Amino acid sequence: SAVISQKPSRDICQRGTSLTIQCQVDSQVTMMFWYRQQPGQSLTLIATANQGSEATYESGFVIDKFPISRPNLTFSTLTVSNMSPEDSSIYLCSVVDKGSYNEQFFGPGTRLTVL
Amino acid sequence: GQNIDQPTEMTATEGAIVQINCTYQTSGFNGLFWYQQHAGEAPTFLSYNVLDGLEEKGRFSSFLSRSKGYSYLLLKELQMKDSASYLCAVSPLRPSGAGSYQLTFGKGTKLSVIP
Repeated sequence: SAVISQKPSRDICQRGTSLTIQCQVDSQVTMMFWYRQQPGQSLTLIATANQGSEATYESGFVIDKFPISRPNLTFSTLTVSNMSPEDSSIYLCSVVDKGSYNEQFFGPGTRLTVL
Repeated sequence: GQNIDQPTEMTATEGAIVQINCTYQTSGFNGLFWYQQHAGEAPTFLSYNVLDGLEEKGRFSSFLSRSKGYSYLLLKELQMKDSASYLCAVSPLRPSGAGSYQLTFGKGTKLSVIP
C-alpha cells in the first residue's frame, strides 16, 4: 500500500496569511485528492489534483482560495489562501491504489488553526 | 445530489457484535466504502462493496443492497481498540462518466466500546 506523508503536520496561522501543505507519496499514483475535515465533521472533497494540468474543484471550492499543484506523480501541494478562522480544519491528501478495490489511502493530515 | 446517513453515535460492550447502518441516495453508484478513523488520525480502509451481498474480512463484514441504497458494517468480538469513528463513503458516477474515484462521505458513526 502507498505510504503518504504530509508537511506540516500542524500549524497555527494568522488571519489573512496563506499556508502551503505538501503531500508526498512513496510511489507513483494516478489519482490524488485533497479533502477537508472540519472539527467534528466528516471529510469533504476539495479537489482532484491532476498531474500536468489544473486541478478539478468540487462545488463550493475555487482555485483562488485553494490553489493546487501537482508537478509529478508522487507530489502535490495545496495552498489555503487569505485564511480566516473558518478555514481551521484538518486537510488530508489521499491517493488511489489500483489494487483489487481501487482503495483510497489517506495521508496523516495537516491540522490547521487560524486565529 | 448525494445524501448519506448513518447514526451519529453507538455504544457496545467488549466481546459483543455491533452493526452500523448506512443509507445513501446518490446520482449513480460505483461502490461503497467503510473507513475507520481513530481520534486525531487519518481514516484507514476497512471494506469495499460494489455488488450486493456480504463481504467478510476477519472480524469485520460489510453488506450492500444497491436496490435499497443500504449498507451495514458488522463488527464481531468487539475490542476496546475498536472505539473509533466509522465512515461510510460512496463513490458516485459523474455525468461525464469520469472521476469515479472521488468519495462522498457520511458524517461518521462514533462507536464507543465499553468493558
